[in-house]
Amino acid sequence: NAGVMQNPRHLVRRRGQEARLRCSPMKGHSHVYWYRQLPEEGLKFMVYLQKENIIDESGMPKERFSAEFPKEGPSILRIQQVVRGDSAAYFCASSPPRGQVYEEQYFGPGTRLTVT
Amino acid sequence: TQLLEQSPQFLSIQEGENLTVYCNSSSVFSSLQWYRQEPGEGPVLLVTVVTGGEVKKLKRLTFQFGDARKDSSLHITAAQPGDTGLYLCAAYNQGGKLIFGQGTELSVKP
Repeated sequence: NAGVMQNPRHLVRRRGQEARLRCSPMKGHSHVYWYRQLPEEGLKFMVYLQKENIIDESGMPKERFSAEFPKEGPSILRIQQVVRGDSAAYFCASSPPRGQVYEEQYFGPGTRLTVT
Repeated sequence: TQLLEQSPQFLSIQEGENLTVYCNSSSVFSSLQWYRQEPGEGPVLLVTVVTGGEVKKLKRLTFQFGDARKDSSLHITAAQPGDTGLYLCAAYNQGGKLIFGQGTELSVKP
């Protein structure tokens, strides 16, 4: 059973370009979460999605950032007009449908974005 | 704001030594999870503790959830270089988001 897959693993963008990060959840998982990790800030929640729905985007900056999880295909985290402060590791996690008090999230290997 | 505070932040020990990592909060959680992250990789789930006072063992790792479900500890017996990594505790906050502690960076020297 393949785990959560993310690509690319490394992405270099110049200031002002767009970054697209992709995430394929584990088989059978319909819930996807995106996190950002900075050395000085730790791992921070950005957005929670189900197929075709954004459930909670309270951790995502209002401008330049967007996320989707279409009916077919991977979840996409899109950053427009990147700035140096966007340089970070972005992790995707997935979980099975929420039905328990606690849900175990399984993380992908991350995409390391460097903005030059 | 519900926060998870981990200590120590950094830990450097010799192979064979024992160590304990702490995760504390002023909030009560229904469950708590421990992850281990290696450089360049994503966090890997080690365990979920659910019941106050619960103790779970994973080979040389022992996880404990406090009676009041506000804190947790991770104890490693006879640490090995392969245990080196970032250990993170995590729990769901009242808003349903998974929040993480800052992590404990463990280095085990041969």
